[in-house]
Amino acid sequence: EAQVTQNPRYLITVTGKKLTVTCSQNMNHEYMSWYRQDPGLGLRQIYYSMNVEVTDKGDVPEGYKVSRKEKRNFPLILESPSPNQTSLYFCASRTASSNQPQHFGDGTRLSIL
Amino acid sequence: GENVEQHPSTLSVQEGDSAVIKCTYSDSASNYFPWYKQELGKRPQLIIDIRSNVGEKKDQRIAVTLNKTAKHFSLHITETQPEDSAVYFCASCNSGNTPLVFGKGTRLSVI
Repeated sequence: EAQVTQNPRYLITVTGKKLTVTCSQNMNHEYMSWYRQDPGLGLRQIYYSMNVEVTDKGDVPEGYKVSRKEKRNFPLILESPSPNQTSLYFCASRTASSNQPQHFGDGTRLSIL
Repeated sequence: GENVEQHPSTLSVQEGDSAVIKCTYSDSASNYFPWYKQELGKRPQLIIDIRSNVGEKKDQRIAVTLNKTAKHFSLHITETQPEDSAVYFCASCNSGNTPLVFGKGTRLSVI
């Protein structure tokens, strides 16, 4: 089954403790992206990657890192999480063509205390 | 860069009535316009999309219209049902490998 898999689905942690949210897709998609979703603000892009070893900042990249060492994986790293990063996070992927549908993972709800 | 405005932010309709959600975009080069539905606690899922070479597309009770001159596109849901209650997002991008830009969403309640 074609899917985007995120882990963990839920995480409660404390300020300053490094964490990584993994994202993996099995559709051989070139493009992958991370979004955060906050009430009233919609989906805001954090980082995206056009292909292996190619990453770019989205609209809200501060406080986040990403890497794209393999085509299928695109982890999101919070080196020193802060409470304002408490949010619902979605990973998504699509083919290289920008006019093709984007597939979302099931989301990761992060709470930073 | 591209900017997408979506209205209204909330919409309540009686079951069986129609619902219309409108979006405007700023980049005249945009040529792909998807709509996503997000049920409570779930991921956004594509429900319909339209490309700039067509003006309207229908899929059962859902239709999308595109006016490239005015740079706006709309989602129409007819004969609404309770299961249509969700948040709907419009989005746009162009073919230049640019990221998809989303509107802020419309919370539709079918009562």
